[in-house]
Amino acid sequence: TQLLEQSPQFLSIQEGENLTVYCNSSSVFSSLQWYRQEPGEGPVLLVTVVTGGEVKKLKRLTFQFGDARKDSSLHITAAQPGDTGLYLCAGRGSGSRLTFGEGTQLTVNP
Amino acid sequence: EAQVTQNPRYLITVTGKKLTVTCSQNMNHEYMSWYRQDPGLGLRQIYYSMNVEVTDKGDVPEGYKVSRKEKRNFPLILESPSPNQTSLYFCASSRALGEKLFFGSGTQLSVL
Repeated sequence: TQLLEQSPQFLSIQEGENLTVYCNSSSVFSSLQWYRQEPGEGPVLLVTVVTGGEVKKLKRLTFQFGDARKDSSLHITAAQPGDTGLYLCAGRGSGSRLTFGEGTQLTVNP
Repeated sequence: EAQVTQNPRYLITVTGKKLTVTCSQNMNHEYMSWYRQDPGLGLRQIYYSMNVEVTDKGDVPEGYKVSRKEKRNFPLILESPSPNQTSLYFCASSRALGEKLFFGSGTQLSVL
C-alpha cells in the first residue's frame, strides 16, 4: 500500500502570512494532485503535477513535485481568509490507483 | 450544470437496517468511485467502476456493495450497517480512470 503523509495536520495563521504544506511518501507516483475541500463540500482539484521537479503556479499558490516524484509541496503567499480549507494531496501510483493523504486543515484569520 | 449528486446529505440509522446512498452524474463519465473520509485517515476508496456492469473493490470494501446498471448512477449499499461505518461518504466521477475527478457534496452517515 502506498502511503502519503501530510504535514502539518493543522495550521492556523494570520492573513498576509506565507505557508507551506508538505506531502511525503516513500513510494514513487506517476503524478500528484492537490485538492481543496471546504466544509460541506467535496474536494475540488487544484492542480496535477506530473514531471519530477515540476513547478506550477495558480495565483498565490505554488505547487512543486519532488525530483524523485515521491513528495510534493504547496506554498501559499500572502494567505487570505478565502484560502481557509482542508488541503489534500493525492498520488497516482500503480494501476492508476489514487492514494490520498490525511489532509492539512488551514485556517487563515483576518 | 455539470455535477455529481449524492442523496441523502445526512442520514442517521440503526445497526442492521439496510440503506442505500445514491449517486448520479450528468457528465457521461465512464469512471465512478466511492470514498469514505474519516479524521486522520483521509479519503479511502471503497469501490470503483470503470464502466457499466464493471465494478471492483477499492481499499476498504468490507460491508459495502455497489452496482452500475446505468452509466449515470452508482449507488452504495450497506446491507447491514454497523457503527464503524459511521463516516462521511463521497461519490466521484471522471471521464476515464486517471482523469480529473469530480466529487459530490458528501453524505454524512451515522450508524447508532
